[in-house]
Amino acid sequence: NAGVTQTPKFRVLKTGQSMTLLCAQDMNHEYMYWYRQDPGMGLRLIHYSVGEGTTAKGEVPDGYNVSRLKKQNFLLGLESAAPSQTSVYFCASRPFPGGGNQPQHFGDGTRLSIL
Amino acid sequence: SQQGEEDPQALSIQEGENATMNCSYKTSINNLQWYRQNSGRGLVHLILIRSNEREKHSGRLRVTLDTSKKSSSLLITASRAADTASYFCATDAQGGSEKLVFGKGTKLTVNP
Repeated sequence: NAGVTQTPKFRVLKTGQSMTLLCAQDMNHEYMYWYRQDPGMGLRLIHYSVGEGTTAKGEVPDGYNVSRLKKQNFLLGLESAAPSQTSVYFCASRPFPGGGNQPQHFGDGTRLSIL
Repeated sequence: SQQGEEDPQALSIQEGENATMNCSYKTSINNLQWYRQNSGRGLVHLILIRSNEREKHSGRLRVTLDTSKKSSSLLITASRAADTASYFCATDAQGGSEKLVFGKGTKLTVNP
């Protein structure tokens, strides 16, 4: 069982470039999440999805877009990368229902540097 | 905004000792979860405690919840070098929010 897989694991971009981070889960989970983790800041929610075809903003959505065209995939896009977006990005998923009563399952992260 | 705040930010102990980490939060919750993050890896769920529970055990882990003080503690007994990691608490809003809010974490180092 792969669980949650993030692609790529590492990436270096120049300011202004665009890229897409891919998250894939094989657990048939309804909910998926994108977080960023910065030193001393913990995890902050960027965007999330409660089902195929749906997306919603989290705490820090500016500069990012997402799409959930297939239930198993959740894509995070940076249209014009900025140095402030240098971070480690984590994807997570969890099943429905249960509100917060289900744990989230995390990928191992994408380490992104913007020069 | 981060609802949970862990204390201490960093903790260093010897193998075999107990480690206690605390989490405080601001608003009413439905449940509270603890996660572990090894260096360079994603978060792994450890334990979930519901708002109507006061204590929960899982192996060497003991979690307590005091909703009157809006606080929780995670105790790791007989620590091992492999317990070296960062530990995060996460809360959701009462009523069953689909989102979790994570604290900033406690970095635990267990020295052999």
